[in-house]
Amino acid sequence: GQNIDQPTEMTATEGAIVQINCTYQTSGFNGLFWYQQHAGEAPTFLSYNVLDGLEEKGRFSSFLSRSKGYSYLLLKELQMKDSASYLCAVRDPGTYKYIFGTGTRLKVLA
Amino acid sequence: EPEVTQTPSHQVTQMGQEVILRCVPISNHLYFYWYRQILGQKVEFLVSFYNNEISEKSEIFDDQFSVERPDGSNFTLKIRSTKLEDSAMYFCASSDPDRGSNQPQHFGDGTRLSIL
Repeated sequence: GQNIDQPTEMTATEGAIVQINCTYQTSGFNGLFWYQQHAGEAPTFLSYNVLDGLEEKGRFSSFLSRSKGYSYLLLKELQMKDSASYLCAVRDPGTYKYIFGTGTRLKVLA
Repeated sequence: EPEVTQTPSHQVTQMGQEVILRCVPISNHLYFYWYRQILGQKVEFLVSFYNNEISEKSEIFDDQFSVERPDGSNFTLKIRSTKLEDSAMYFCASSDPDRGSNQPQHFGDGTRLSIL
């Protein structure tokens, strides 16, 4: 089976950097996704990692360590609009079934 | 940019009735999905659909649920004999895995289903 853990809530200040962690315990591994979800809206894709290391995309970066079952999403130069839930998801190996974590609700304060 | 569209945006139904939630996936995508998100909880996988048949389904997706692709563009989720606990946001998503396994899923805006 698959299990994904994320902190429930985080708070940060506008302009700061925040790191949102995700740990997973899976019977195999076939890629890890990060999505952003504003309240009442659909998840939107942020990043994908399948190999170890850092993937950078503008203000957002995502890191993966497969040996540790660990990923993080790094958000730089935080803006008020970054207040949202950040969802970590893995794909069940050999399938197109995706398992989502509970999400981390990020509040950005002025 | 192409997008997944879902209708209706909000559906209110009496307990015990049947509902059909509709989705139009992105036109060149091949994999389609339904997810459920109960208010304040995580996104839960229901079913994936490929080549006109179900490829995976979760334990949530029991005999009460069915999916169909009635034509070349629509993808529907039918829920029979609705229960109060079926109240949730239902998201449709599609992806194009033939372009590589790292293709993300594109989500529709969801249908909020309220069972009374």
